[in-house]
Amino acid sequence: GIQVEQSPPDLILQEGANSTLRCNFSDSVNNLQWFHQNPWGQLINLFYIPSGTKQNGRLSATTVATERYSLLYISSSQTTDSGVYFCAVVYSGNTPLVFGKGTRLSVIA
Amino acid sequence: SAVISQKPSRDICQRGTSLTIQCQVDSQVTMMFWYRQQPGQSLTLIATANQGSEATYESGFVIDKFPISRPNLTFSTLTVSNMSPEDSSIYLCSVDGRGVADTQYFGPGTRLTVL
Repeated sequence: GIQVEQSPPDLILQEGANSTLRCNFSDSVNNLQWFHQNPWGQLINLFYIPSGTKQNGRLSATTVATERYSLLYISSSQTTDSGVYFCAVVYSGNTPLVFGKGTRLSVIA
Repeated sequence: SAVISQKPSRDICQRGTSLTIQCQVDSQVTMMFWYRQQPGQSLTLIATANQGSEATYESGFVIDKFPISRPNLTFSTLTVSNMSPEDSSIYLCSVDGRGVADTQYFGPGTRLTVL
């Protein structure tokens, strides 16, 4: 099956710093989603982005489908950005998401 | 996006007992999925539940341990049977995104602790 790898596994940032999280996938995908899991376990949709670039406030994402990777940018990080960021892909129609192992982000004041 | 609720939000159970988790969606959806997230780990798919058919289980998960019902297009249940401490996890249901192909939205999860 398809492999989804995320890096780095852990990241510690000072409040206000910027960061880039990476997701590599081993095969063509129909869709890619980025999620943020907050400390209470809730999984929040950030982007669905099979290709191209999207922005939402301090967050933006870029997927280069031909090179099989996606990047999530967090600018001016805040303590509320802490949690685990997951990348997940759909590799064919009507199949469920396959998740990477996540990047655990800690933003300290 | 869909609005998804789960009950219970958390529970503490004794080994050997069973717990049924409910997932309710605010509108009709074709596909519902159940995931397990063990402590410190990523999400692993347990099964896909389509209305009117038997659930499809992933490798390593069996119906006797995780029976699933899907009586209509807005509701599903997952039962964790004969629980052991290894079943302590967050269980999440998700649904396919309406209007946006191949997307999924997740419920708030059920945090289960087995003693």
